[in-house]
Amino acid sequence: DADVTQTPRNRITKTGKRIMLECSQTKGHDRMYWYRQDPGLGLRLIYYSFDVKDINKGEISDGYSVSRQAQAKFSLSLESAIPNQTALYFCATSDSAGSSYNEQFFGPGTRLTVL
Amino acid sequence: TQLLEQSPQFLSIQEGENLTVYCNSSSVFSSLQWYRQEPGEGPVLLVTVVTGGEVKKLKRLTFQFGDARKDSSLHITAAQPGDTGLYLCAGRGWDYTNAGKSTFGDGTTLTVKP
Repeated sequence: DADVTQTPRNRITKTGKRIMLECSQTKGHDRMYWYRQDPGLGLRLIYYSFDVKDINKGEISDGYSVSRQAQAKFSLSLESAIPNQTALYFCATSDSAGSSYNEQFFGPGTRLTVL
Repeated sequence: TQLLEQSPQFLSIQEGENLTVYCNSSSVFSSLQWYRQEPGEGPVLLVTVVTGGEVKKLKRLTFQFGDARKDSSLHITAAQPGDTGLYLCAGRGWDYTNAGKSTFGDGTTLTVKP
């Protein structure tokens, strides 16, 4: 079984709809991240969480919100989706105890299309 | 803001050729990672380099961290079609605010033709 899972894998939605992307991990890591990937733009950090009580904005948090329901679960919400949020979304984890180098482990991604 | 620039953006070569891709920044990083991403999948960690001037080898892949910790290179010897993918570098900052985050470059898309 995959260590980091994301649901759904693909989602098509309409402008103005609220959607939630979910991430679960079995690695026991304390840190979790949400990234967005657009062609030619690499990975951009949306939000990150160092533990259940710690949520931080990344470089492109506008239009997004997150919830860390448990150490193993980190959800990303688009309150009112817009077409320029069409992208690949990745969840990642890292272990602050196991490594000081912030090595990250990624889920398989969610392809989101906003019409 | 710490930025990482990767070059070239795209690279298409024949099987058996050698290649080098670069990751450059004006910022100093405490460590730097290289990831490979295949279509439809998330990035997978290849290596972490920590010490200025460090060289690490992973089979046909050689990774080097610049002496000043501002740049890195990835050299592939005798490329194979299985090396095809998007190569991403990611740097980790020094201060507490940035220590738990990584800055990613825009990536190099490598295609190795049989």
